Amino acid sequence: ETGVTQTPRHLVMGMTNKKSLKCEQHLGHNAMYWYKQSAKKPLELMFVYNFKEQTENNSVPSRFSPECPNSSHLFLHLHTLQPEDSALYLCASSQPGQGVGEKLFFGSGTQLSVL
Amino acid sequence: RKEVEQDPGPFNVPEGATVAFNCTYSNSASQSFFWYRQDCRKEPKLLMSVYSSGNEDGRFTAQLNRASQYISLLIRDSKLSDSATYLCVVNEGNQFYFGTGTSLTVIP
Repeated sequence: ETGVTQTPRHLVMGMTNKKSLKCEQHLGHNAMYWYKQSAKKPLELMFVYNFKEQTENNSVPSRFSPECPNSSHLFLHLHTLQPEDSALYLCASSQPGQGVGEKLFFGSGTQLSVL
Repeated sequence: RKEVEQDPGPFNVPEGATVAFNCTYSNSASQSFFWYRQDCRKEPKLLMSVYSSGNEDGRFTAQLNRASQYISLLIRDSKLSDSATYLCVVNEGNQFYFGTGTSLTVIP
């Protein structure tokens, strides 16, 4: 295991539902990320948190709302999603400041289907 | 403009074959480079970092050419278990950019 735990593994929700994805890392890292992976597309960066502060919001619609209460936990709150939001959502962490040594470690992902 | 470009394949090769993947990146200031492996419906996992001097890990050899801004991955003596998608990843500060991935199927 990579030390990054993500739940749930699968999620089916209607367009009017509210749900949250949870991520926890046990690696002592200080940066956490949300990525979206749609079929046939590269991973798209959504949000980055460094030391609990959001440092990147990659023009993500407001129906996706991240929360980072501490360096080990990251949430993605979902509400009024659209069917095109169906994708694999991946959480990752890294330890910033290592230069060429900085690597990304991923959680197992949440396969989201919006009906 | 794509930050990282890869040939999506698919590459279908027989067991024991040698296969090579290439990747190009657009930002000459990119700092570090990686190959990740992703199995179907699973998360990407780090396969190896890529250094200018080239590096080898068993049957896998990675190479970086900064002048031409490309990265390569060579797999020798392919195994059935090597079937996966291989992602080229480039780091620029706190940003990691991914290619679309190259699909490899090793055939018995």
